[in-house]
Amino acid sequence: SYELTQPPSVSVSPGQTASITCSADKLGDRFAFWYQQKPGQSPVLVIYQDNRRPSGIPERFSGSSSGNTATLTISGTQAIDEADYYCQAWDISTPVIFGGGTKLTV
Amino acid sequence: EVQLVEFGGGLVQPGRSQRLSCTGSGFTFDDYAMHWVRQAPGKGLEWVSGISWNSASIGYADSVKGRFTITRDNAKNSLYLQMNSLRPEDMALYYCARDFEVRAAHFGAFDVWGQGTMVIVSS
Repeated sequence: SYELTQPPSVSVSPGQTASITCSADKLGDRFAFWYQQKPGQSPVLVIYQDNRRPSGIPERFSGSSSGNTATLTISGTQAIDEADYYCQAWDISTPVIFGGGTKLTV
Repeated sequence: EVQLVEFGGGLVQPGRSQRLSCTGSGFTFDDYAMHWVRQAPGKGLEWVSGISWNSASIGYADSVKGRFTITRDNAKNSLYLQMNSLRPEDMALYYCARDFEVRAAHFGAFDVWGQGTMVIVSS
């Protein structure tokens, strides 16, 4: 089965750039999506189709994808960005797949 | 305001059934595929099932295939999940989520989420 692998945790200092990776075989050949989930809240879509931001998502959130890795980048990370982040992709065997999640500590 | 509200969670014994409902408002419900996504306490997100805007395409996670059934009633702006033969590992917060593309040819991602309804499977 197709699996998306994320680091369990990432730490970043306020104002610095945080990068969260998501890896899978030929992930760059399919779209990746990213969600932010804060404690006690529902997930929020922050990046879709690799690098597009939904309306209302700050410009400091960006995404990229190439080869086997998709990356969520948060520039000028703020304390309010502390959350769990999940990547998601499609697969023919299971239409929707989530990564295991990454806890971002600011 | 675009909104999804889930109903139907609660305490259920292993092996029994439960039906979840989700009502959408603030958007044209029958333009979108809809999904159920669950999250066990302290765990990550798991896609459970999805249904296309016209019910022509339906998918299930392997973990629930044969036990859960997803349906929708566009006239009532409602999505349902019939869960049979529930197991302790089905215990989770169940989210209703909207697909992000209008009348997409395939399942995509989720741009609107409900607050979730908790299903507790325990004797």
